[in-house]
Amino acid sequence: DADVTQTPRNRITKTGKRIMLECSQTKGHDRMYWYRQDPGLGLRLIYYSFDVKDINKGEISDGYSVSRQAQAKFSLSLESAIPNQTALYFCATSDLYETTSGADTQYFGPGTRLTVL
Amino acid sequence: AQSVTQLDSHVSVSEGTPVLLRCNYSSSYSPSLFWYVQHPNKGLQLLLKYTSAATLVKGINGFEAEFKKSETSFHLTKPSAHMSDAAEYFCVVSDSRSGGYQKVTFGTGTKLQVIP
Repeated sequence: DADVTQTPRNRITKTGKRIMLECSQTKGHDRMYWYRQDPGLGLRLIYYSFDVKDINKGEISDGYSVSRQAQAKFSLSLESAIPNQTALYFCATSDLYETTSGADTQYFGPGTRLTVL
Repeated sequence: AQSVTQLDSHVSVSEGTPVLLRCNYSSSYSPSLFWYVQHPNKGLQLLLKYTSAATLVKGINGFEAEFKKSETSFHLTKPSAHMSDAAEYFCVVSDSRSGGYQKVTFGTGTKLQVIP
C-alpha cells in the first residue's frame, strides 16, 4: 500500500552500528506503530505513537528508540545494532475514528528487512 | 489477558478446494478480530474484520470468517482456493475499549500452500 512507505527496504549492517528506519504515511492517520516480525513469532510491537507528543513503549522496546518528527513521519532507531535484531520491520498506521465501533484497523507499510552481521 | 492461537502453522490445499484456516482467541474485553494476509516480500493487507456487528464477516477475494463467541473462534474460510491465495495469514485480536491504546495481539501465522 503506497499510503505507507518505509525506507530503506533492505539493509545490511554490522554489530555496533547505529541504524535508522524511516516511515512516512499519506493517510492522515494520527496513530503510528513499529513492529518486528520473526519467523514463527508473528508481529511484536516495539513502539507506538498516538500523536507527535505521545510516544509509548511496546512489548519489546529494549535496544530501540523512536522519533515522531511530524504526524506523517515516525522513525525507528537501533542505537547499537546486534545480530538478534535481524528481522523484518513493519510500520503501521491507524485512525481510531475511522470506524464507529472504535476498533483500530492498522495499515501496514511494505516492511524493511534488516540484517545485522 | 489477551491471546490468539492459530492452530496450524502450515495448510496445504489443492486449487479449487475449500480453505479453512483456524483461529482461537481469548480476551478480557469484547474483542475485535481481524485477518490479515501477507504475500511474499509484501506488507500485511487487511482481509476482513469483526467489530461486534454481524457475526459472519465477508472480506476481499472471496474470504469470510465467522465469529463464534461460545467457541472463542474466528476461522477463515474460502469455498475455492486459487493459486494467488498462497500466502501467510495472520489472525489478530484487539480489545475494543474506546479511547486509549487498544492492545493488539497477532497470531503466529498460517502459511497457505495451494497445489495446482
